[in-house]
Amino acid sequence: AQSVTQLGSHVSVSEGALVLLRCNYSSSVPPYLFWYVQYPNQGLQLLLKYTSAATLVKGINGFEAEFKKSETSFHLTKPSAHMSDAAEYFCAVSGQSGYSTLTFGKGTMLLVSP
Amino acid sequence: KAGVTQTPRYLIKTRGQQVTLSCSPISGHRSVSWYQQTPGQGLQFLFEYFSETQRNKGNFPGRFSGRQFSNSRSEMNVSTLELGDSALYLCASSLAGGTQVDTQYFGPGTRLTVL
Repeated sequence: AQSVTQLGSHVSVSEGALVLLRCNYSSSVPPYLFWYVQYPNQGLQLLLKYTSAATLVKGINGFEAEFKKSETSFHLTKPSAHMSDAAEYFCAVSGQSGYSTLTFGKGTMLLVSP
Repeated sequence: KAGVTQTPRYLIKTRGQQVTLSCSPISGHRSVSWYQQTPGQGLQFLFEYFSETQRNKGNFPGRFSGRQFSNSRSEMNVSTLELGDSALYLCASSLAGGTQVDTQYFGPGTRLTVL
């Protein structure tokens, strides 16, 4: 079985500060990992995905994530937070081989203050 | 290219009723998955359809069902609604869905409120 743990249900940063959202995974097969963002009253938007091609993955809106197998982690970072980054972020792992079904973490709400 | 569309966006029903939600995938996508999002349980997988066949199913009671049409559009149905069915129901489409790396693209969701 696969699972995802997101540390911290809420993270607060100041505008311009570093954003770090933590994600740890558990998987019995080589994982494929995703970060999605959800703005209020909207669906999920794909930020980036790891598919084993490169351990450092760059996504949209200046976000990136690094896959670390030894730490079973896939943390999301952004060097400088913007007010528009305030949203809920979900880390997800895809299903067993042959399936693209996603198992999601509980989500982290990012709050950005001026 | 148009994204995933879901109708209706908001729905209010009473306990015991049934409801049908609709999802139109991105053009060319043949796999459609459904997820339920609640504050308590988070995002949970309901089922996936590909070529009009249910290919994968989550751990939900039989009151939750779905189908897919030949044009890849999908519907999900919930019968005998319970208060706990109040949730945001998200539909996601992907090209084929048969591999881990296939990316799922989500619609805006249908917000179901059961009174």
